[in-house]
Amino acid sequence: DAGVIQSPRHEVTEMGQEVTLRCKPISGHDYLFWYRQTMMRGLELLIYFNNNVPIDDSGMPEDRFSAKMPNASFSTLKIQPSEPRDSAVYFCASSLNGGSEGYTFGSGTRLTVV
Amino acid sequence: GENVEQHPSTLSVQEGDSAVIKCTYSDSASNYFPWYKQELGKGPQLIIDIRSNVGEKKDQRIAVTLNKTAKHFSLHITETQPEDSAVYFCALAYSTLTFGKGTMLLVSP
Repeated sequence: DAGVIQSPRHEVTEMGQEVTLRCKPISGHDYLFWYRQTMMRGLELLIYFNNNVPIDDSGMPEDRFSAKMPNASFSTLKIQPSEPRDSAVYFCASSLNGGSEGYTFGSGTRLTVV
Repeated sequence: GENVEQHPSTLSVQEGDSAVIKCTYSDSASNYFPWYKQELGKGPQLIIDIRSNVGEKKDQRIAVTLNKTAKHFSLHITETQPEDSAVYFCALAYSTLTFGKGTMLLVSP
């Protein structure tokens, strides 16, 4: 298995633009997580899905953030409009059995909003 | 929700020395305690985990100990090597994983 695949690896965009981050989880994993990593706040859970259904989006910072999982092999995290404070590394992870098993993380998308 | 404190935030050791990272938590409902290693430019990678019915687990040079009564768990790395240099995160499971703030380990040759 190729692991969790995220794209793009790097994204530089101007403030106000729409940004879409993509994730392909490991086949067979029924949980998918979106995390944001910054120096100040560490790893923050934004939202997670179970069997393609959003379970908890309480970590999504604002209405500018949205996430979808149209099928078991694909998820997107969208920021519209983007702001400089959204600059961070965004990780997607997948797992079996939610929090009772280890997560497999992707390599992340480094987002810079200028 | 869950809260986990991780110490130290940075740790410098000489090659061959041991390194210990400790995490404390407040909610006793957690039963799964993984540790992750994150190398520069990569995502966190699971290196070892422990469940609440076990007090210690070893895998070659790394070990994890758990004290549920005192609500702390620790990562022990023996005979450190330069390639152990990375950021290490503890985590604990409730409905999802909550991560500590990380420890940057630097192993000098």
